[in-house]
Amino acid sequence: NAGVTQTPKFQVLKTGQSMTLQCAQDMNHNSMYWYRQDPGMGLRLIYYSASEGTTDKGEVPNGYNVSRLNKREFSLRLESAAPSQTSVYFCASSEKVYEQYFGPGTRLTVT
Amino acid sequence: QKEVEQNSGPLSVPEGAIASLNCTYSDRGSQSFFWYRQYSGKSPELIMSIYSNGDKEDGRFTAQLNKASQYVSLLIRDSQPSDSATYLCAVNTGGFKTIFGAGTRLFVKA
Repeated sequence: NAGVTQTPKFQVLKTGQSMTLQCAQDMNHNSMYWYRQDPGMGLRLIYYSASEGTTDKGEVPNGYNVSRLNKREFSLRLESAAPSQTSVYFCASSEKVYEQYFGPGTRLTVT
Repeated sequence: QKEVEQNSGPLSVPEGAIASLNCTYSDRGSQSFFWYRQYSGKSPELIMSIYSNGDKEDGRFTAQLNKASQYVSLLIRDSQPSDSATYLCAVNTGGFKTIFGAGTRLFVKA
């Protein structure tokens, strides 16, 4: 039982490049989330998926797109990376009253 | 704008003491409250959730909620060096959106 897994763990991109962050959970949770964490700031919600087949914007969605591929997988895409998207990205899932379980994170640097 | 405020710390306590971490929130309609622990370079880990006024105890951890005053706190009894981490307060304001505070760094001195 791996919980929530994320790939890759680290990534360096040049401005304008695109990439997809992958997330998968094996806890049979309905809801999944993407956050970013920047120094001195709390986790900020980018997008979430309440259930398979649905996605909604969070607090900071600009510059990102998501896909809920199936119940297990939720991906985050950066179409044209910018230095402001340098951050640590966490995927999470939840079932019971929004108690969220987080993946190990992806450390992204955009130069 | 809905906010969750925490003192950034660091909060330094000696081993064996009680560590007290506090959090205030702005949305009076909030219903669910959480404490996460985050070690340096790692992901947040859920340690406590509380949904009604009063205290909730789990081992050495006690969460306290006062909705009238809009604050939630976490007490760690018999603090250990392994408790040294950043503690994130999180508040669910309705639906699927949870607001996280920036965290309080706790340092337990051996």
